Amino acid sequence: QKEVEQNSGPLSVPEGAIASLNCTYSDRGSQSFFWYRQYSGKSPELIMSIYSNGDKEDGRFTAQLNKASQYVSLLIRDSQPSDSATYLCAVIQGAQKLVFGQGTRLTINP
Amino acid sequence: KAGVTQTPRYLIKTRGQQVTLSCSPISGHRSVSWYQQTPGQGLQFLFEYFSETQRNKGNFPGRFSGRQFSNSRSEMNVSTLELGDSALYLCASSLSTGVNEQFFGPGTRLTVL
Repeated sequence: QKEVEQNSGPLSVPEGAIASLNCTYSDRGSQSFFWYRQYSGKSPELIMSIYSNGDKEDGRFTAQLNKASQYVSLLIRDSQPSDSATYLCAVIQGAQKLVFGQGTRLTINP
Repeated sequence: KAGVTQTPRYLIKTRGQQVTLSCSPISGHRSVSWYQQTPGQGLQFLFEYFSETQRNKGNFPGRFSGRQFSNSRSEMNVSTLELGDSALYLCASSLSTGVNEQFFGPGTRLTVL
């Protein structure tokens, strides 16, 4: 079992719709969770961090965390073509290492 | 506030050579982590430095090494380069070690011929 798992996609969503990205992790003791966005040819950019169960909203982005189910998700409302990118889920695990999922490639169709 | 900077941005080397990459963290950040990104393996953790000490290490051979200076700048070195070392090498800085948010630099694209 991979430490952090994401569906690699591609996930295709029409412009204006809600994009839903999911991530599961293996270490039940993990306490810190992050979502990064990576455009092709660029480095990852931190867009959300979440540490407590529940929802955290920032503009069009909402991160959701369920530690009991070892599940974290990212919702993007009113999706725009500029949201087309690879989204990386990252989890602080074990000896304080940041472990990344393989990423989900998201395409927003105009 | 300036972001994380990495030099050089691009490098071409041949097998057997060695390479040194440099990273300057965001001002005030004391932790620097290094990652290797390849299409097949994704983002993989190399090591983390905090207060000039290696705090964590990933599963990479001893050819990969690093260090951190008193001003928090960091370098990583790869000796005896192999074709499989071709990758994007990313540096990320954070305020401290552990659970803090990490911010990435633009990366160094290394090609080994």
